Amino acid sequence: AQSVTQLDSHVSVSEGTPVLLRCNYSSSYSPSLFWYVQHPNKGLQLLLKYTSAATLVKGINGFEAEFKKSETSFHLTKPSAHMSDAAEYFCVVSETGRRALTFGSGTRLQVQP
Amino acid sequence: EPEVTQTPSHQVTQMGQEVILRCVPISNHLYFYWYRQILGQKVEFLVSFYNNEISEKSEIFDDQFSVERPDGSNFTLKIRSTKLEDSAMYFCASSYDRGPSGANVLTFGAGSRLTVL
Repeated sequence: AQSVTQLDSHVSVSEGTPVLLRCNYSSSYSPSLFWYVQHPNKGLQLLLKYTSAATLVKGINGFEAEFKKSETSFHLTKPSAHMSDAAEYFCVVSETGRRALTFGSGTRLQVQP
Repeated sequence: EPEVTQTPSHQVTQMGQEVILRCVPISNHLYFYWYRQILGQKVEFLVSFYNNEISEKSEIFDDQFSVERPDGSNFTLKIRSTKLEDSAMYFCASSYDRGPSGANVLTFGAGSRLTVL
């Protein structure tokens, strides 16, 4: 069975400083991993995806994530936070052959001016 | 950019009433999904739908729930007799296919908030 653990429910950073949102996964098979972002009153938007190609994945808005199989991690990073990055971020896993996505509990990112 | 649209954005209903949540997936997508998020809990998979039938469902998706694609554009979730614990945000999503990368990339709507009193 697949599962996702987001290690921080809330992260607060200052504008212009780096962002790190942590995610660990558990999967029986070769997983696909995603980060989705949700801004207030908006749908879940795909930031980036990992699908067994390059382990460092670049996404939209300057975000990237690194797949580390030995650590079963897929942490999301951004070098410099912007006020518009304030949102809820979800780490998501999908197993090959299944349609269902398994979501983490989410991390709320707050960006201070 | 194509969007998944959901209506209503918020619905309040009495326990025991039937509710239909509507979704318009992206027009060339083939797979359709419902997920829900109870306040303070994780987003949970309910059901996936392909070629006019359910392709996968979770244990949450019991006989109280049904899905339908009544025409070429809409995808609906019906809850037959709502319970208090059905109060949640319901997300519709669609996807085209796995693609060469093998990833199942979904486009989500903004959600329909259901409040059962």
